[in-house]
Amino acid sequence: QKEVEQDPGPLSVPEGAIVSLNCTYSNSAFQYFMWYRQYSRKGPELLMYTYSSGNKEDGRFTAQVDKSSKYISLFIRDSQPSDSATYLCAMSGRQETSGSRLTFGEGTQLTVNP
Amino acid sequence: EAGVAQSPRYKIIEKRQSVAFWCNPISGHATLYWYQQILGQGPKLLIQFQNNGVVDDSQLPKDRFSAERLKGVDSTLKIQPAKLEDSAVYLCASTAWREAFFGQGTRLTVV
Repeated sequence: QKEVEQDPGPLSVPEGAIVSLNCTYSNSAFQYFMWYRQYSRKGPELLMYTYSSGNKEDGRFTAQVDKSSKYISLFIRDSQPSDSATYLCAMSGRQETSGSRLTFGEGTQLTVNP
Repeated sequence: EAGVAQSPRYKIIEKRQSVAFWCNPISGHATLYWYQQILGQGPKLLIQFQNNGVVDDSQLPKDRFSAERLKGVDSTLKIQPAKLEDSAVYLCASTAWREAFFGQGTRLTVV
């Protein structure tokens, strides 16, 4: 069983739609949860970072963590064609020093159609 | 602030040949990672350095892959000999705390 499961899609939505992306995980040691966005032929870039259970909002993006269910989500409101990319969830365990290893999901490919 | 620099961007080699990738992290970032990303998959950690010491190389295929980080700055990743299944994008990332900044990657094709 993979430590992090993510539906690879592809997911295609019309412009303005609300997008929901999800990951589940099995390792209880994961404490930090991130969403990365990766455009074609580019490296991943950090989109959202959360530590505790609950919601975190940043503009059109909301990250949600439910540690009891080992489930995290990313919601994109009013989706735009520029949001078309692969979205990767990533997680890391408790860290005593900086730079903890990230474990990634497989990525969900999203296309927002004008 | 300059980002993580990687070179080359693309490389095509024949199987059994050797290849090397170079990474220059963001200035001051102590931690450096090499990830392998196979097409359609998420990045998989190969090796993690803290300054010039190895923190985690548990998923590095040591019979063919090697990496070093001299003086705790630049790093090189080498594959010798390459196999067809090594075709992937090799990503370098660096971090000062929790956010990992990635380079654009080196796309390796082994034929």
